[in-house]
Amino acid sequence: AQSVTQLDSQVPVFEEAPVELRCNYSSSVSVYLFWYVQYPNQGLQLLLKYLSGSTLVKGINGFEAEFNKSQTSFHLRKPSVHISDTAEYFCAVSDTRRGGSEKLVFGKGTKLTVNP
Amino acid sequence: NAGVTQTPKFQVLKTGQSMTLQCAQDMNHNSMYWYRQDPGMGLRLIYYSASEGTTDKGEVPNGYNVSRLNKREFSLRLESAAPSQTSVYFCASSWREHSYEQYFGPGTRLTVT
Repeated sequence: AQSVTQLDSQVPVFEEAPVELRCNYSSSVSVYLFWYVQYPNQGLQLLLKYLSGSTLVKGINGFEAEFNKSQTSFHLRKPSVHISDTAEYFCAVSDTRRGGSEKLVFGKGTKLTVNP
Repeated sequence: NAGVTQTPKFQVLKTGQSMTLQCAQDMNHNSMYWYRQDPGMGLRLIYYSASEGTTDKGEVPNGYNVSRLNKREFSLRLESAAPSQTSVYFCASSWREHSYEQYFGPGTRLTVT
């Protein structure tokens, strides 16, 4: 079974500052990793995903994440945030095995607030 | 291509009433899911369906039933609503061959009084 821990429930930052949202996971098997974003009163949208290959993954809206297998982490970063990045961000993990669970396991979310 | 659609968007029920939340996807995905989202709890899986005709319990199935009507549609039923079921409900779908990436609907905000 997998689990996901998002280390910060809320992250306030000023506009144009860099941000890092932290995610650690636990799994006994290989995993796929995802970051989703939820804007107020909307559903979740995929921001980026790690399947295999390069450990640095680039997503939409200037976000990127780095997979670190030894530290079982998948932290999300953006060098310069905008007011419009204010949202809740969810890290998720799934089992890669054929015939394995197709379920995503989500972290509890991090609310990013970008202040002017 | 509408993606994942959910109806209704909002609903208020009295304790003990029943209702069905509808979900449909037009992406030919084989897997579908129902989640509930509560503040500080993230998303918790209620039920999922890996293919037409199959359903399985998730993390929080008590008080809910589901039906995978066909490949497109997956409904969630509350037989006797309780205040603890006040939540935002999301439906999602995925194509197993694509690493289980899930596509989400806009959600249903349910209040049980």
